[in-house]
Amino acid sequence: AQTVTQSQPEMSVQEAETVTLSCTYDTSESDYYLFWYKQPPSRQMILVIRQEAYKQQNATENRFSVNFQKAAKSFSLKISDSQLGDAAMYFCAYRSQNSGGSNYKLTFGKGTLLTVNP
Amino acid sequence: EPEVTQTPSHQVTQMGQEVILRCVPISNHLYFYWYRQILGQKVEFLVSFYNNEISEKSEIFDDQFSVERPDGSNFTLKIRSTKLEDSAMYFCASSERGILSNQPQHFGDGTRLSIL
Repeated sequence: AQTVTQSQPEMSVQEAETVTLSCTYDTSESDYYLFWYKQPPSRQMILVIRQEAYKQQNATENRFSVNFQKAAKSFSLKISDSQLGDAAMYFCAYRSQNSGGSNYKLTFGKGTLLTVNP
Repeated sequence: EPEVTQTPSHQVTQMGQEVILRCVPISNHLYFYWYRQILGQKVEFLVSFYNNEISEKSEIFDDQFSVERPDGSNFTLKIRSTKLEDSAMYFCASSERGILSNQPQHFGDGTRLSIL
């Protein structure tokens, strides 16, 4: 079974600074997807960024980028130029690539609560 | 932008009672999911649903739980005889089936279930 570990329960960053959230995972599969979801207080989880394991290039979405190290099974999220609206719980998630079936369940980490200080 | 909606936002129920949590997935989505998050713990997969049947379920999803898509829009999770340990936030999600299997799951706001 796959597991996802987020070792930082809480992180804080100054507005306009850069912060990196850590995520490691354990799997025996070679093909899979990795996601970062953001959950603002009392709001729904929103997809921030996704990475296909077969792609060597790190995914980037505006101020959000990942450092995907497949051999190390590491998938960290970097937030550049942090904004007050980035304050949220961030979840790392893993999903198998099972193109022939319907196994699309997500396996989540425990989350990292990010505080952005003005 | 279309959203997954869940009702109620908070449900308080006596232990042993039945509870139904409701979800309206995004209209063109074909895969539906329930997850739960016990306070302070990970978000855990419960069940996935496709083509009017369960496609996968976790060990948590025992006979106490059931899911249903009673009409073309709602997707419900029923807990038959609630226990104290069922207290959690329950999230519904849906995803679009497409050629690209990296289609993300879209989540609702969640229903906080409190068992007394």
